[in-house]
Amino acid sequence: DTGVSQNPRHKITKRGQNVTFRCDPISEHNRLYWYRQTLGQGPEFLTYFQNEAQLEKSRLLSDRFSAERPKGSFSTLEIQRTEQGDSAMYLCASSFGGGNQPQHFGDGTRLSIL
Amino acid sequence: GEDVEQSLFLSVREGDSSVINCTYTDSSSTYLYWYKQEPGAGLQLLTYIFSNMDMKQDQRLTVLLNKKDKHLSLRIADTQTGDSAIYFCAESTTGGGNKLTFGTGTQLKVEL
Repeated sequence: DTGVSQNPRHKITKRGQNVTFRCDPISEHNRLYWYRQTLGQGPEFLTYFQNEAQLEKSRLLSDRFSAERPKGSFSTLEIQRTEQGDSAMYLCASSFGGGNQPQHFGDGTRLSIL
Repeated sequence: GEDVEQSLFLSVREGDSSVINCTYTDSSSTYLYWYKQEPGAGLQLLTYIFSNMDMKQDQRLTVLLNKKDKHLSLRIADTQTGDSAIYFCAESTTGGGNKLTFGTGTQLKVEL
């Protein structure tokens, strides 16, 4: 069990650029979640996948955001035309099975928009 | 709607017990979780409790749940400097894909 892995750990970009983050979940976990955490706040849910199917998206996920999990393993989160307000920590979590199996988090990708 | 509240800050002396409190509003919550976050890191799962339980103990950690008052607490016995971190309470509901709703976090500072 190598844990949830996220890359890159930090991303600095100029406003208006596109960015993509990657998450590799724990290998046998079929559920994968994305959260966003701004300074001084708790994480907020963005979206989740069960296998390759994206089952729910938060209202926080504007149409500039897209997430994929093409083979039910790793996932990518892309932000197009980044804005200052996108600066945050993006956290990925995974869990096994349905129900309420606990989610295990990666160390996150910190995005800074210049 | 779902809302989770925590006090922002707690300071204790090394060796004392710490008690971090949390209140939630969603009566359909099924599981409640405690996560720990150190600076620049992700969230580490500490423990969780099913909503039909009153208490759960795991080594130095004790979770108490008062479902009537929608109040959850985390007690850390013999608090150490390595326990200094932000602690998040989170809830999930069965019908919500198990997505978590987090509180704003309680910063625990352990002083010598």
